Amino acid sequence: AQSVTQLDSQVPVFEEAPVELRCNYSSSVSVYLFWYVQYPNQGLQLLLKYLSGSTLVESINGFEAEFNKSQTSFHLRKPSVHISDTAEYFCAVSVPSGGGKLIFGQGTELSVKP
Amino acid sequence: KAGVTQTPRYLIKTRGQQVTLSCSPISGHRSVSWYQQTPGQGLQFLFEYFSETQRNKGNFPGRFSGRQFSNSRSEMNVSTLELGDSALYLCASSLGNTGGAFFGQGTRLTVV
Repeated sequence: AQSVTQLDSQVPVFEEAPVELRCNYSSSVSVYLFWYVQYPNQGLQLLLKYLSGSTLVESINGFEAEFNKSQTSFHLRKPSVHISDTAEYFCAVSVPSGGGKLIFGQGTELSVKP
Repeated sequence: KAGVTQTPRYLIKTRGQQVTLSCSPISGHRSVSWYQQTPGQGLQFLFEYFSETQRNKGNFPGRFSGRQFSNSRSEMNVSTLELGDSALYLCASSLGNTGGAFFGQGTRLTVV
């Protein structure tokens, strides 16, 4: 079975500061990794994903995440955050044989203050 | 391309009633998954349908059921509602591989 642990439930940060949201996973088989973002009263939006290849993946709005197999981690980073990045962020995994099933972490609430 | 559409957005039901939620996936997507989101339990997988067949199932009681139609639209049904069923129910569609899913805005169900 797979599991996902997001190490911080809340991360407060000032605008233009860097941020890292931490995600660790557990699995006995290879996994695909995802970060989703959820704004208030909205569904989830796919931010970025790692399927294979380069371990560093980037999103169009400045976020990046690095897959580290030895540490079973997939931390999300952004060098300079904006007020509009305030949201809840979810790390998720799926397995190649698992169809569309996603297993989510508990979420990290990112709060960007002016 | 239209996104994933869930209807209704909000529902209030009484304990013991049943409810049906609807999801229209992105055109061309054959996989539809359902998730329950609550403050205490987070996001939990309910089930997945692919080409009208249930392909995966989470750990929920039999009161939770679903189906998928030939046009890939999906419905989920909850019978004999309990207060604990109050949650945001999210539908996600994908091409059927594991390259990530696209979510609808959800249906917020309140059981009183």
